[in-house]
Amino acid sequence: GAVVSQHPSRVICKSGTSVKIECRSLDFQATTMFWYRQFPKQSLMLMATSNEGSKATYEQGVEKDKFLINHASLTLSTLTVTSAHPEDSSFYICSAEMALSSYNEQFFGPGTRLTVL
Amino acid sequence: AQSVTQPDIHITVSEGASLELRCNYSYGATPYLFWYVQSPGQGLQLLLKYFSGDTLVQGIKGFEAEFKRSQSSFNLRKPSVHWSDAAEYFCAVGARTGGSYIPTFGRGTSLIVHP
Repeated sequence: GAVVSQHPSRVICKSGTSVKIECRSLDFQATTMFWYRQFPKQSLMLMATSNEGSKATYEQGVEKDKFLINHASLTLSTLTVTSAHPEDSSFYICSAEMALSSYNEQFFGPGTRLTVL
Repeated sequence: AQSVTQPDIHITVSEGASLELRCNYSYGATPYLFWYVQSPGQGLQLLLKYFSGDTLVQGIKGFEAEFKRSQSSFNLRKPSVHWSDAAEYFCAVGARTGGSYIPTFGRGTSLIVHP
C-alpha cells in the first residue's frame, strides 16, 4: 500500500523558535498533500492544502505567516511553524493524495507531536 | 457546512463480542462517508467508504458500515472484536472538490478491548 512518512515524529522546542516538519510519500507521487492539526481527544482539523509547485491554500482561521507550507517536489511537503508558542503545541498530521481509478484517496502520515516550552 | 457527530467518546467491549460505533452526519447533498482507524504511531488508515450504491459497505479487517439516509447515520460494525482492534476510530464526511474528497472528521471514538 501507499506509505506516507513524517519527520520528526516528536519535537520539543523553545518558545520563539521555528520548527520544520517533513511529509514524504515514499512509494508514489503526490500532486496534492494536506496538513491537519489534531488536539487531544478531538478531531483532525484541516489546516491547508498543498499543491506541488504552487502556493498552499489555507483554511479560514489558519495563519499563513505562522504555518509556512512548501511543496517543492511530488514526494515532499514541509510545514514550518514559525516563532512557535505554547499554544502551537499539537499533533500535526499530513496526508498525500493518490489518484485511483474512481477517486483520489488520501494516505496519512503517522503524525508529528510538537511541544513548545 | 458538513459536520460529523460521534456520540461515544469511549466504547469498551470484550474480545469476541460484537461492536457498533455510531456516526451521524450533516451534509446538504449526497454524502461521501468514510471510517478511519488511528493506532498509536501509525497514520490514519481507511477502513471503508460509501459513495453510492449498496448501503451496506464492507471494509478491511472484517468491518462493515451501513448508510441510512433517513437517520443520517453511518454506523460501523464488526461481529467479533479482536484485541488488536483497540484504537481510535474516526468517521468523516467528504466534500468533493474536483477528484478530491476533503474529509470533515468527527471527534473520534476510542475503542477499548478487554480480554
